[in-house]
Amino acid sequence: GAVVSQHPSWVICKSGTSVKIECRSLDFQATTMFWYRQFPKQSLMLMATSNEGSKATYEQGVEKDKFLINHASLTLSTLTVTSAHPEDSSFYICSARAGGPNNEQFFGPGTRLTVL
Amino acid sequence: AQSVTQPDIHITVSEGASLELRCNYSYGATPYLFWYVQSPGQGLQLLLKYFSGDTLVQGIKGFEAEFKRSQSSFNLRKPSVHWSDAAEYFCAVVPGGGSQGNLIFGKGTKLSVKP
Repeated sequence: GAVVSQHPSWVICKSGTSVKIECRSLDFQATTMFWYRQFPKQSLMLMATSNEGSKATYEQGVEKDKFLINHASLTLSTLTVTSAHPEDSSFYICSARAGGPNNEQFFGPGTRLTVL
Repeated sequence: AQSVTQPDIHITVSEGASLELRCNYSYGATPYLFWYVQSPGQGLQLLLKYFSGDTLVQGIKGFEAEFKRSQSSFNLRKPSVHWSDAAEYFCAVVPGGGSQGNLIFGKGTKLSVKP
């Protein structure tokens, strides 16, 4: 149980285009989903937290107009990188939390974005 | 500043040898504590977690970790490393515990295993 999927697993796009990444909780309802960014050989940096049906909360320094997050249902959150540039190339990982006292997050396998 | 510290960036051990990966945190209240493993190009898999109770926690794949309040540490151990354990290991905390906090990750320790 507690499986989180991401699609696509990797994507290459041209500079200036937009890319959408999906994060799904396959066997549980996720009240909260998180989006992380990971640069090569570095740790995960939290970008934003989203609760189903409400606006995402972005971490300091993350441009909300560039990284659009939608959490329209309890099993799906999307991250759209708008007008992508080479510096947006990174490994994006989502996680989902069902709620309750244990606070466990379940992580997706990640999406490798390369912007040419 | 509040932080999670993994002092070792890269560790190499021989297959069959024991392993200890260090993690220290600097938060006032005892946080929730986690260890995750990440294989190249993959997401994170939870190895074990500590919320309260017994300070020695058993996890998957033969890993264990011990919470030491006096040292603000949560070191990960394995008595005998296998080649498949080569990966990146992240310590993470939810400051102050609780169900609403966000995970704060250490910078990770890369484990290499020599045959």
